[in-house]
Amino acid sequence: QLVLTQSPSASASLGASVKLTCTLSSGYSSYAIAWHQQQPNKGPHYLMILKSDGSHSKGDGIPDRFSGSSSGAERYLTISSLQSEDEADYYCQTWGIGIHNVFGGGTKLTVL
Amino acid sequence: EVQLLESGGGLVQPGGSLRLSCAASGFTFSTYAMTWVRQAPGKGLEWVSGISGSGFSTHYADSVKGRFTISRDNSKNTLYLQINSLTVDDTAIYYCAKVHSSGSSDYFDYWGQGTLVTVSS
Repeated sequence: QLVLTQSPSASASLGASVKLTCTLSSGYSSYAIAWHQQQPNKGPHYLMILKSDGSHSKGDGIPDRFSGSSSGAERYLTISSLQSEDEADYYCQTWGIGIHNVFGGGTKLTVL
Repeated sequence: EVQLLESGGGLVQPGGSLRLSCAASGFTFSTYAMTWVRQAPGKGLEWVSGISGSGFSTHYADSVKGRFTISRDNSKNTLYLQINSLTVDDTAIYYCAKVHSSGSSDYFDYWGQGTLVTVSS
């Protein structure tokens, strides 16, 4: 069964960097994912698609501070030079032929 | 600029029905699959249903199969979700999202702001 696992919470200081992780379940390590950001009381916003080889393509207007990388079944979202507006929930999403779309449980990022 | 605007949410009693709409603009609507995603209060995102660009192919989460119907009118650039036999567990914000390709199995690259459905007696 395709499952995406995310840590429920993360925190980092203003101006620092943070790396969020999304882990694909066993047997699905070749799958791409997408990262989405949801700021408080807003709808989600697409950040990037991230493939198993670490290549990624960002959505319109997404700053260079946001980047993605991959290692095995893990997919990472790194945010550098953290700003207060980066405090949000971050979700990973994956998909496949014959597989319903799947979301991770989300990571709540707190900027200290 | 891609815009997605949901409407049709509201307060409904258990067992009731609603029809949600999502008006799309800023892209060639018929070329892309569309999807509905919901978020219960304080919870994460849950995929609900998807429809291909042509409208011929539809998919549903097991939790809503048989109760929800997704459709689209490409002449009106509008996506719909008919939700029937509502239970309190269907209380959520319902978001429509644009899929990156014509088939419904792909990532979501634009989202609406959502419409709230509250099921309560």
